[in-house]
Amino acid sequence: EDQVTQSPEALRLQEGESSSLNCSYTVSGLRGLFWYRQDPGKGPEFLFTLYSAGEEKEKERLKATLTKKESFLHITAPKPEDSATYLCAVQAKTGANNLFFGTGTRLTVIP
Amino acid sequence: DAGITQSPRHKVTETGTPVTLRCHQTENHRYMYWYRQDPGHGLRLIHYSYGVKDTDKGEVSDGYSVSRSKTEDFLLTLESATSSQTSVYFCAIRSDSEAFFGQGTRLTVV
Repeated sequence: EDQVTQSPEALRLQEGESSSLNCSYTVSGLRGLFWYRQDPGKGPEFLFTLYSAGEEKEKERLKATLTKKESFLHITAPKPEDSATYLCAVQAKTGANNLFFGTGTRLTVIP
Repeated sequence: DAGITQSPRHKVTETGTPVTLRCHQTENHRYMYWYRQDPGHGLRLIHYSYGVKDTDKGEVSDGYSVSRSKTEDFLLTLESATSSQTSVYFCAIRSDSEAFFGQGTRLTVV
């Protein structure tokens, strides 16, 4: 059964304090791993898709990496506007072609 | 922003009444999805579509039906709304490498 676990559930950082969010997954053949950002009252906003172990992608202060069992979202020198919930999802090679989501990490960056 | 619009954005309805939510896309994507988001559960798939008139169930499909008569529209119907269907509903569209979400519909069943 596909499973995605994100940790920590919540994270408070001082502005400029770098950290990482974790997404551990179990899937019957990974087609892709997706990262999203979600602000309160809004839909998830697409950030990255990763396909194979060793792959990395960057966007501004965010960098996503992928291994065979987990993905990390590294946040370098965060700013208050990076505060949001970050969601991880996996898509299996077989089955419903669905994205299976974790419950997210709620990030708060304090000025 | 990806061309995906949900309507209505908010709705309050009574238990036992039918409710239809609409998702409209302008991207001509083949795949469309309906999810619900509840505290502690994350986003869970209700139904999805892989083409006009081609739909299938997700993990929480009981009490819901869908229809897709045109590429651009995907409708979610709660046949007889219950309080357990109070949630935020998101539509999504997917290309080969990306998946985009609508702004959501907050549904309250009283």
